[in-house]
Amino acid sequence: DIQLTQSPSFLSASVGDRVTITCRASQGISSYLAWYQQKPGKAPKLLIYTASTLQSGVPSRFSGSGSGTEFTLTISSLQPEDFATYYCQQLNNYPYTFGQGTKLEIK
Amino acid sequence: QVQLVQSGAEVKKPGASVKVSCKASGYTFTSYTMHWVRQAPGQRLEWMGWIHGGNGNTKYSQELQGRVSISRDTSASTVYMELSSLRSEDTAVYYCARDTGPLGYNYGMDVWGQGTTVAVSS
Repeated sequence: DIQLTQSPSFLSASVGDRVTITCRASQGISSYLAWYQQKPGKAPKLLIYTASTLQSGVPSRFSGSGSGTEFTLTISSLQPEDFATYYCQQLNNYPYTFGQGTKLEIK
Repeated sequence: QVQLVQSGAEVKKPGASVKVSCKASGYTFTSYTMHWVRQAPGQRLEWMGWIHGGNGNTKYSQELQGRVSISRDTSASTVYMELSSLRSEDTAVYYCARDTGPLGYNYGMDVWGQGTTVAVSS
């Protein structure tokens, strides 16, 4: 199975900060990577797919980049509603796998 | 609006089976692949399998192969996930989720059900 490792696992930041989360794959996955945001007790929300395509309706402060084994999710200016847990997912090889999550907390 | 509505919470004993439904509305049911994903308490998300919207073909996680079955009723725009031989480790929230990609290409899950809690306990 392809392992996805996110860093950091916990991130403390302030409103207005620029933050970057990294997702590293144990082997190449082309650009078949998605990013999700999940708030407690809620279903995940798709932010980015195919590594860099912004899902319709998602604010442009979210962006994704990368290919192969290293990917990043960047939030250009944190808003109060962005404090949540973020997951990456690869859809290149079966089984599709998720990262362990990055919990973004208010500093 | 596009939505997925899942069946209610279940409590099962070890060794039993559970069948969770997911009713789709607001879009052409046969034009999208549907995934099932679960999340145990405090754990990461786990992909379980998908069913192709057009032809009903299925693909399962090898870890669950033999215990999981995904089916559909196109006349009711409903997908089902059945998990058998339940163990305590299967206690989780189970989600259905539509893939945003064109049929045959899985890009990510853009529409999610509200989740169904399945608790396995003796």
